[in-house]
Amino acid sequence: GAVVSQHPSRVICKSGTSVKIECRSLDFQATTMFWYRQFPKQSLMLMATSNEGSKATYEQGVEKDKFLINHASLTLSTLTVTSAHPEDSSFYICSVTSGRATEQFFGPGTRLTVL
Amino acid sequence: AQSVTQLDSQVPVFEEAPVELRCNYSSSVSVYLFWYVQYPNQGLQLLLKYLSGSTLVKGINGFEAEFNKSQTSFHLRKPTVHISDTAEYFCAVSDLYGANNLFFGTGTRLTVIP
Repeated sequence: GAVVSQHPSRVICKSGTSVKIECRSLDFQATTMFWYRQFPKQSLMLMATSNEGSKATYEQGVEKDKFLINHASLTLSTLTVTSAHPEDSSFYICSVTSGRATEQFFGPGTRLTVL
Repeated sequence: AQSVTQLDSQVPVFEEAPVELRCNYSSSVSVYLFWYVQYPNQGLQLLLKYLSGSTLVKGINGFEAEFNKSQTSFHLRKPTVHISDTAEYFCAVSDLYGANNLFFGTGTRLTVIP
C-alpha cells in the first residue's frame, strides 16, 4: 500500500492564528486526497475531497473559507485552518487514493490544539 | 448510499480469550468492506478487506472476518487476543467504483484485560 505522511504530528496555536497541515504521499500517485477530522472517542468525519489540480469538494457543514485545501500535485495536499478557534481542536487525518485503487491509504494524523 | 453499524461501542475481553467485533452494513449495491485499527493518537491501519471471492478474509495480527451477504454482516474475529490488541476498531464500506466513497462505522473500543 501507499505510505502517507503528515506534518506536523502535533501543533498548538493561539486562537485567531492560521495553521497549515501537510499530507504527503511518499510512493503513490494520489489523484484524490481526503481530509477527515476526528473528535475524541468518535469516528472519522469526512471534511472534503480533493482531486489533483481541482478545487476541493466540501461536505455539508464544512466551511470552505475556514478550511482551505490545496492539492497542487499528486504527492502533496495541504489543509489550512484559518483563524483557528478552540472548537477547531481535533485530530485531522488525510488519506489518498487513485482511480484504480480499491482502498484509501491513511496518514498518521495531526493533533491540533487551539488555545 | 451505504451505511455501517457497529453494534458494540466497547468490548472488554480477557487476555488470550477469543473476541468478535460486530459490523453490519446497508447498501443497495455491491460493496467492498474494510476493518481498520487505530491506536491512540495514530492514523488508521488496514487490518483486512473484502473485495470479492472467498467470504472468509484473513488479515494482519491474526484477525479474520467473514462476509455474510444474506445477513449484511462483516464481523471481525480473533481466536486469542493480546494486550497489544487494545485499540479502536472501525468497520467501513465503499461501493465498487473505487475508494472515493468510504463510510465508517462509529467504532468499537476493544480493551484487553490482563
